[in-house]
Amino acid sequence: GAVVSQHPSRVICKSGTSVKIECRSLDFQATTMFWYRQFPKQSLMLMATSNEGSKATYEQGVEKDKFLINHASLTLSTLTVTSAHPEDSSFYICSARDRTTGNTEAFFGQGTRLTVV
Amino acid sequence: GQNIDQPTEMTATEGAIVQINCTYQTSGFNGLFWYQQHAGEAPTFLSYNVLDGLEEKGRFSSFLSRSKGYSYLLLKELQMKDSASYLCAVRSGSGNTGKLIFGQGTTLQVKP
Repeated sequence: GAVVSQHPSRVICKSGTSVKIECRSLDFQATTMFWYRQFPKQSLMLMATSNEGSKATYEQGVEKDKFLINHASLTLSTLTVTSAHPEDSSFYICSARDRTTGNTEAFFGQGTRLTVV
Repeated sequence: GQNIDQPTEMTATEGAIVQINCTYQTSGFNGLFWYQQHAGEAPTFLSYNVLDGLEEKGRFSSFLSRSKGYSYLLLKELQMKDSASYLCAVRSGSGNTGKLIFGQGTTLQVKP
């Protein structure tokens, strides 16, 4: 099956610094990638939809200036958490939909555990 | 708005059958998905329903009734490794930009 690689898997950063998370589709092209956040014992909350070559669409309540998304190619989307604070500590997961098969499951990256200290 | 409900926790016995229900309200329905998620890991795809009826895949089956806004995931011959969180997700919108909205997940504990 299709593979989505997310990097890093774990990161610890100091409060006030920025962290970049990468999401790559390894064997397919993804015009659309999705970024989710998951707090402990809660479900996935969609943060934004990332479209190749255009601006991301953010869900209500998600600050676009804090969570910068770049989708520069058909295989790579990045999420940058700017000026991170302890409350941003969470599990961040990306998913990508294959542009050719398109209409069934999205494939998930392995997630990034962010801890802000 | 969109709303997806599923039970928070369930417990079942190894070898038994368990049914996890999901009800939803959404506009622009374009499919319902079930995922399995082990703690600290990303979700893995289990099943997809877009038409009414039952989809069977090995020990897992999923049912959809669009008129009732209802789905269930059926797990047969439960194994200890099936202990995980099961997420119901509804896609709204069409094609490659349709987004998935997840329910809160059902934590299933399988006991010997």
